Amino acid sequence: DVKVTQSSRYLVKRTGEKVFLECVQDMDHENMFWYRQDPGLGLRLIYFSYDVKMKEKGDIPEGYSVSREKKERFSLILESASTNQTSMYLCASSLVPDQETQYFGPGTRLLVL
Amino acid sequence: QKEVEQDPGPLSVPEGAIVSLNCTYSNSAFQYFMWYRQYSRKGPELLMYTYSSGNKEDGRFTAQVDKSSKYISLFIRDSQPSDSATYLCAMSARSSASKIIFGSGTRLSIRP
Repeated sequence: DVKVTQSSRYLVKRTGEKVFLECVQDMDHENMFWYRQDPGLGLRLIYFSYDVKMKEKGDIPEGYSVSREKKERFSLILESASTNQTSMYLCASSLVPDQETQYFGPGTRLLVL
Repeated sequence: QKEVEQDPGPLSVPEGAIVSLNCTYSNSAFQYFMWYRQYSRKGPELLMYTYSSGNKEDGRFTAQVDKSSKYISLFIRDSQPSDSATYLCAMSARSSASKIIFGSGTRLSIRP
């Protein structure tokens, strides 16, 4: 069974703080993704990575950066957290030839005060 | 206009009913159509996956794609309380690297 784990289930941070969200997958998947999920807006892609040290911007990359130093680990960084970044953050992974089958982690609910 | 439109619900039906969930889309390049199920406080999981037009059945679930109308459906027969979840449609053209477009999700509740 594919397992995608996220470092925290709930986080509370203050405006201006630097926030790190970590994601680890154990199935040697090439692709990894970060989404945010907001009511009425669904899942929106922030960044994705198709290989170590490779990254591509998604639909809403502003205010975020990512790091992929190892194949199994993909980190999302909020350089200076703002209240409009309060959201559910979901990490996912997939194989290259089967991109439509994405395996999601349980999510991190981030509250920025 | 959003690329994928999905009624957010909530939809509440009695146990045993047939449920119909739907999405419309605007991009005719979409060829891969998925339904993900998301239980409360969990990440989404892939439920059904179809390529191009037609029907696909898996147990109590049937996915239907009508590309001419740009309309996809998920039918759940003999619905169970354990089917209570948010259902997200998703689709891709596979023309750009690894990008799936998700609907906003329909919250479904099955009443015992």
